[in-house]
Amino acid sequence: AQSVTQLGSHVSVSEGALVLLRCNYSSSVPPYLFWYVQYPNQGLQLLLKYTSAATLVKGINGFEAEFKKSETSFHLTKPSAHMSDAAEYFCAVTGNTGFQKLVFGTGTRLLVSP
Amino acid sequence: KAGVTQTPRYLIKTRGQQVTLSCSPISGHRSVSWYQQTPGQGLQFLFEYFSETQRNKGNFPGRFSGRQFSNSRSEMNVSTLELGDSALYLCASSPDRGNNEQFFGPGTRLTVL
Repeated sequence: AQSVTQLGSHVSVSEGALVLLRCNYSSSVPPYLFWYVQYPNQGLQLLLKYTSAATLVKGINGFEAEFKKSETSFHLTKPSAHMSDAAEYFCAVTGNTGFQKLVFGTGTRLLVSP
Repeated sequence: KAGVTQTPRYLIKTRGQQVTLSCSPISGHRSVSWYQQTPGQGLQFLFEYFSETQRNKGNFPGRFSGRQFSNSRSEMNVSTLELGDSALYLCASSPDRGNNEQFFGPGTRLTVL
């Protein structure tokens, strides 16, 4: 069984500040982990993924995440927030079994103020 | 390559009716998954199809069904609609079972009155 916990349903930052969105996972098999972003009235866009290669994963739009097995965490960071980063972010996990079922966290809405 | 397309984008139905949603995956992708997104339950997995076969199913009642055609296009059907079925239904495609990266479409917003 797999699950994801995202701490904080809302995170507010100022433009230019560090963005940190937290994700902890639980998985009975080696996990594949993903961060997706969703803008209003749109589908999900993949930001980055961890599939057991490098533990520090770089994604699009300046985002990156670090897989820490000892902490069962996969937190998303960006050094400097832009107004365009305001959106909802979802962490998701699946097992490396070949099945495509993604288990999502409840999401974190990122608010960026000028 | 064109992305995942879903039709229609918006749909309004009344309780008791049935609805069919369509999804066209990215060209060459053979796996199609469906998810339901609601404010209360978040994103939940409905089912996954690969080469016209249902490979995995989420915890939804039998009113929710799907199928996949030989060209990988997929449809999902919801019968006897309930108010609680109002949601954004997202389709995602993936190249094959060994690649877990899924590409999402824009979704179909279903409103049940």
